[in-house]
Amino acid sequence: RKEVEQDPGPFNVPEGATVAFNCTYSNSASQSFFWYRQDCRKEPKLLMSVYSSGNEDGRFTAQLNRASQYISLLIRDSKLSDSATYLCVVYSSASKIIFGSGTRLSIRP
Amino acid sequence: EAQVTQNPRYLITVTGKKLTVTCSQNMNHEYMSWYRQDPGLGLRQIYYSMNVEVTDKGDVPEGYKVSRKEKRNFPLILESPSPNQTSLYFCASSLGGAAGQPQHFGDGTRLSIL
Repeated sequence: RKEVEQDPGPFNVPEGATVAFNCTYSNSASQSFFWYRQDCRKEPKLLMSVYSSGNEDGRFTAQLNRASQYISLLIRDSKLSDSATYLCVVYSSASKIIFGSGTRLSIRP
Repeated sequence: EAQVTQNPRYLITVTGKKLTVTCSQNMNHEYMSWYRQDPGLGLRQIYYSMNVEVTDKGDVPEGYKVSRKEKRNFPLILESPSPNQTSLYFCASSLGGAAGQPQHFGDGTRLSIL
C-alpha cells in the first residue's frame, strides 16, 4: 500500500460546479499536510496548508480527518483556470515528505 | 525576489557522462530536497538536506549524489547517468523540514539520458 494515495482522476466537471477530492495517508503519526497545484509539468505551487480545524481560502476548503487518515480539498464555483493536477503532501516525520501521485482536474466551459 | 533556481532547465546527454544539476535558493532556508517526477509515479524524493553538511537519502537515491557545502546551494550529481534516470527533476527548499513548512520549488530540469 502506498503511504499517500490519491484518485488519479481525471475529474471532468462543468464550470461553476463544486468538486472535491480526497487523499489518504497510512502513517498515523503524520504531522503536516498541504495541497499543491501543478500545471502541465511545471513546478508544483503551494495551494494551501491543511489544519485540523479545517481552513478556507476563497473558493477552496481543506479538511483533515485524523481518525480516518485522509485530507480533502473542496473547490466551489470552479473556474476554467482551476484545471490542473492537485497534489497532496504529507510530512510523515520531521524529514520525510511524501507526495501523492496527483488528481487531474479538468473544468469544461 | 524569493526563488529557487535550477540549472540547466533542459539537458540531453549520453549514458555514462557525469553531470551536475545545480540548485540555489535565496531565502536562507535550512531544508533542501531533490525530487524526480515520472508519469504515474508522482514526485519521489531523491535526497534531502536538513542543513549545511547534513544530507540523507530519500526514497530513490540510487545513482545520485548530493552535497551541501553552503546553505544556499544543493547540487545533484549523476556520476554515471543511465537511461532510467531520464526524468523531470525538481529542487525544493523550505524554512525547516521539522517545522512542517511548505516547500518552494524550482522551475524543474528536464533530463534525457540517451
